[in-house]
Amino acid sequence: SQQGEEDPQALSIQEGENATMNCSYKTSINNLQWYRQNSGRGLVHLILIRSNEREKHSGRLRVTLDTSKKSSSLLITASRAADTASYFCATANLRGITQGGSEKLVFGKGMKLTVNP
Amino acid sequence: GAGVSQSPSNKVTEKGKDVELRCDPISGHTALYWYRQSLGQGLEFLIYFQGNSAPDKSGLPSDRFSAERTGGSVSTLTIQRTQQEDSAVYLCASTLERGPYEQYFGPGTRLTVT
Repeated sequence: SQQGEEDPQALSIQEGENATMNCSYKTSINNLQWYRQNSGRGLVHLILIRSNEREKHSGRLRVTLDTSKKSSSLLITASRAADTASYFCATANLRGITQGGSEKLVFGKGMKLTVNP
Repeated sequence: GAGVSQSPSNKVTEKGKDVELRCDPISGHTALYWYRQSLGQGLEFLIYFQGNSAPDKSGLPSDRFSAERTGGSVSTLTIQRTQQEDSAVYLCASTLERGPYEQYFGPGTRLTVT
């Protein structure tokens, strides 16, 4: 079943502008991750934020997490045409230690970002 | 180092035929996942392998779907008696057993059932 829901579903901006994408989820999580997908193929991990973190930065990316509202946002600053892609949030519940600690991610349907040059 | 690889990259098959999709995870990654992505949709979890533990098959949509992971490395996803609704991109991902749990994805196999 779908966990994360990205909002908006599509966003078109001009190069240099900031892009903000939101994600809402329903159940308690261990961490939340954002991924990018180009051309409908393999996903690339962008950033992971743990449930006890509120904000995280990586280059032009800024992620916030509000566990009380069960929501996260991904901000891309000074966007570039190369940022054009689909962006997915994914949530994870940590499996028990006896099961190795890996986790099953539940992905949203994704959001299409278009950055116009 | 080498990333996750998948083969074939594209597969066209006739309805009713069986297909096998292969995934080579990153060396040393003990966890392996299969997902399915239909056109314009998010990723649907299919199955997960972790070391020698029993796989989590809770996402397999029907008994026509099965997967194996031999020697804790290469995995094969088999779809028997394919149906048109099986058409999708099948993605494989792997992770280290220990955190921080970001998943590394392969390029996927685009399956088209005619």
